[in-house]
Amino acid sequence: AAGVIQSPRHLIKEKRETATLKCYPIPRHDTVYWYQQGPGQDPQFLISFYEKMQSDKGSIPDRFSAQQFSDYHSELNMSSLELGDSALYFCASSSTAEYGYTFGSGTRLTVV
Amino acid sequence: GENVEQHPSTLSVQEGDSAVIKCTYSDSASNYFPWYKQELGKGPQLIIDIRSNVGEKKDQRIAVTLNKTAKHFSLHITETQPEDSAVYFCAAPKGGGATNKLIFGTGTLLAVQP
Repeated sequence: AAGVIQSPRHLIKEKRETATLKCYPIPRHDTVYWYQQGPGQDPQFLISFYEKMQSDKGSIPDRFSAQQFSDYHSELNMSSLELGDSALYFCASSSTAEYGYTFGSGTRLTVV
Repeated sequence: GENVEQHPSTLSVQEGDSAVIKCTYSDSASNYFPWYKQELGKGPQLIIDIRSNVGEKKDQRIAVTLNKTAKHFSLHITETQPEDSAVYFCAAPKGGGATNKLIFGTGTLLAVQP
């Protein structure tokens, strides 16, 4: 079965650079979520989109922005990167037709 | 908003023993309770979930129980195996609805000793 696809798997950036993370949800899933997970921590909700519109917003820094495109894929744009942004970033998708969130394998961002 | 607490933070058991992880939630509107297993460097994988209209669900060695009155739910793993070693997260959605954001517990590091 198709899963949530995230790219890239690993990303190394320098401070103050920008990064773009991509997420391709499961086909026919209408909601996408972004989570940030620091070392030894639980995933923290950043932002979500339902039918290409922002549906909820969590602890996402102003330096970050995200959008969902017409093909339902989503991108998380991160600017002015800081060392503290180093983390695993997960995307998940779900459908209003059924319960169940599926997570991607994540992008490991390292800011040096 | 929803607050999810998870205990214990670490759990070590001998192979073949049972493991129990407990979570409490605060939002009485929450109606869906998944459990995720996360291995090092990987994304959370759904292992079992339960809707609020049932009290227990079982899938082979894994079971989840839900007490809506007390607002707590538990993960039970029987006949543990070394490959069960991982971090386990409980979660609950903020409010009801299939597409509400999930609030995670703080995780339990389960170590199964061979």
